[in-house]
Amino acid sequence: QVQLVQSGADVKRPGASVRISCKTSGYTFPNHPIHWVRQAPGQRLEWMGWINAGNGNTEYSQKFRGRVTFAGDTSASTAYMELNSLRSEDTAVYYCARVAIYYFDYWGQGTLVTVSS
Amino acid sequence: QSALTQPASVSGSPGQSITISCTGTSSDVGNYNLVSWYQQHPGKAPKLIIYEVIKRPSGISNRFSGSKSDNTASLTISGLQPEDEADYYCCSFAGSSTHVFGTGTKVTVL
Repeated sequence: QVQLVQSGADVKRPGASVRISCKTSGYTFPNHPIHWVRQAPGQRLEWMGWINAGNGNTEYSQKFRGRVTFAGDTSASTAYMELNSLRSEDTAVYYCARVAIYYFDYWGQGTLVTVSS
Repeated sequence: QSALTQPASVSGSPGQSITISCTGTSSDVGNYNLVSWYQQHPGKAPKLIIYEVIKRPSGISNRFSGSKSDNTASLTISGLQPEDEADYYCCSFAGSSTHVFGTGTKVTVL
């Protein structure tokens, strides 16, 4: 069965960077893009962007462009998201999600990132 | 990219039907039949319940149905059940490889 398993919760200081992994299984990794979505405490889902797991092409939401980087390792069937220059407003649960054409059919369990001094 | 607009909360009694609206623009909801809906229980990851406006994934109850008119998509839950109490989010493709989510709706079963 399809599974997306994310790395564990993390606490970072303001200004630091965080890298989250999303290990996939149960399907052919290059065949489906991986999108990243975040959710601040008590807030709505927010789309961050995506990576073409086959060729590594990326697309970033304008809000995060310049501060976020997506990467993929086809040999490990794993996607990564790195967010730099963290601030308190980046405290959120970050999700990876597999895309089937234009919708998110499988999601990771989420990774809580807390930014605090 | 502005979030799609949803009512903050909707409630209903068991067995009733409720409808959640999702209003966008002619650049997203109105321009593509690519609206999806997600159910999210507290502390859990979102779950796909409707895609491409009206389609249900395998295993999703037929009590959930979707529709769209112009710039507004809608999710209807028929025969409301206690386990339907959750947050619901719409999402639309918005062109240029981008997506936008709705503001979210909390459904309460009275």
